[in-house]
Amino acid sequence: DAGVIQSPRHEVTEMGQEVTLRCKPISGHDYLFWYRQTMMRGLELLIYFNNNVPIDDSGMPEDRFSAKMPNASFSTLKIQPSEPRDSAVYFCASSLTRTGVTEQYFGPGTRLTVT
Amino acid sequence: SQQGEEDPQALSIQEGENATMNCSYKTSINNLQWYRQNSGRGLVHLILIRSNEREKHSGRLRVTLDTSKKSSSLLITASRAADTASYFCATGYGQNFVFGPGTRLSVLP
Repeated sequence: DAGVIQSPRHEVTEMGQEVTLRCKPISGHDYLFWYRQTMMRGLELLIYFNNNVPIDDSGMPEDRFSAKMPNASFSTLKIQPSEPRDSAVYFCASSLTRTGVTEQYFGPGTRLTVT
Repeated sequence: SQQGEEDPQALSIQEGENATMNCSYKTSINNLQWYRQNSGRGLVHLILIRSNEREKHSGRLRVTLDTSKKSSSLLITASRAADTASYFCATGYGQNFVFGPGTRLSVLP
């Protein structure tokens, strides 16, 4: 398997623009997670899905952020409108639960810069 | 908060030495995991220890867990330059866990 795939790897956009980040989890995995990493706040869980259903979105910072998982092989994280403080590295991760707890497999991340 | 706090924030050692990092947390957990992040990359899972376990080994890695003290340690033996990375502990229940701020390890050749 190719692992978790994220696109784009880098995104530079102007304040006010819409940004869409994409993720393809590992085939067969039933959990998908979106994280944000900054120097100031570290790694923050934004939202996670189980079998394509959002389970916990309490980490989503504002209504400007939305995430969808239309099928088991694709998820998007959208920011509209974007602001400079949204600049961060956004990671997608997936996992497969057989015994209740398993490790998460992370994608390479999308580095977002909002100017 | 269940957030783990790694200690030290940064650690610099010579190749061949052992590196020890600690993680403390505040509330009850059912598992604790350690991850590594190389610069510019995603996190990579190293080892998981459940709350009913006290010690686990994986290659040059040794993890201990003391639930009475709410703390864990990660020992990397015979360190190599390739071990240079940030190391994070993640604590929680089931799939919902929280990452600490990490320890930056530098292994000097």
